[in-house]
Amino acid sequence: GNSVTQMEGPVTLSEEAFLTINCTYTATGYPSLFWYVQYPGEGLQLLLKATKADDKGSNKGFEATYRKETTSFHLEKGSVQVSDSAVYFCALKEGGSGNTGKLIFGQGTTLQVKP
Amino acid sequence: DADVTQTPRNRITKTGKRIMLECSQTKGHDRMYWYRQDPGLGLRLIYYSFDVKDINKGEISDGYSVSRQAQAKFSLSLESAIPNQTALYFCATSDRGGPDTQYFGPGTRLTVL
Repeated sequence: GNSVTQMEGPVTLSEEAFLTINCTYTATGYPSLFWYVQYPGEGLQLLLKATKADDKGSNKGFEATYRKETTSFHLEKGSVQVSDSAVYFCALKEGGSGNTGKLIFGQGTTLQVKP
Repeated sequence: DADVTQTPRNRITKTGKRIMLECSQTKGHDRMYWYRQDPGLGLRLIYYSFDVKDINKGEISDGYSVSRQAQAKFSLSLESAIPNQTALYFCATSDRGGPDTQYFGPGTRLTVL
């Protein structure tokens, strides 16, 4: 079945450091890929998404490129801030005409950014 | 005002009690979902509904039931709560005819003693 695997956390960085959170997936067909972020005490919110191979999603300085050849969607940011401290979830939505809109989530990666 | 609301936000109950978690949305979306979040496991889908008359089981529906009372309301029930149902529960919505984004409520933290 379809699945998403993320790098384990927590990831601890100093402010202005470069961030990479790895995400790989297993899926049939052509899924859409997402990164959601969960700030402390809040629900998840969409950070960025990509719907086909080689698409790059970007938002708030974060980027991720849909790599079909490596089945990956790694999240990157060039310079993190303390306010980026949160839990990040990679997710996929099955593609095709029969897709149900259901999301399959990775286990989440906690990011802590220190001043 | 929040587009997706959940009540209660926190609940502590005892084993064997019946619990209902409620979700309301003002986004006008057709689809609604219930997830539970456990540390190290991400979010797992419990039930989902595409409209008032279309309800489907997710990957972990055992021990749960749902009711879609209206397009805007989707309730999750635990008929007889057990301690391993202690978790953070999220409701989400999406628009069938729109983009793929799901919109999440703030969550309900449930503790079963």
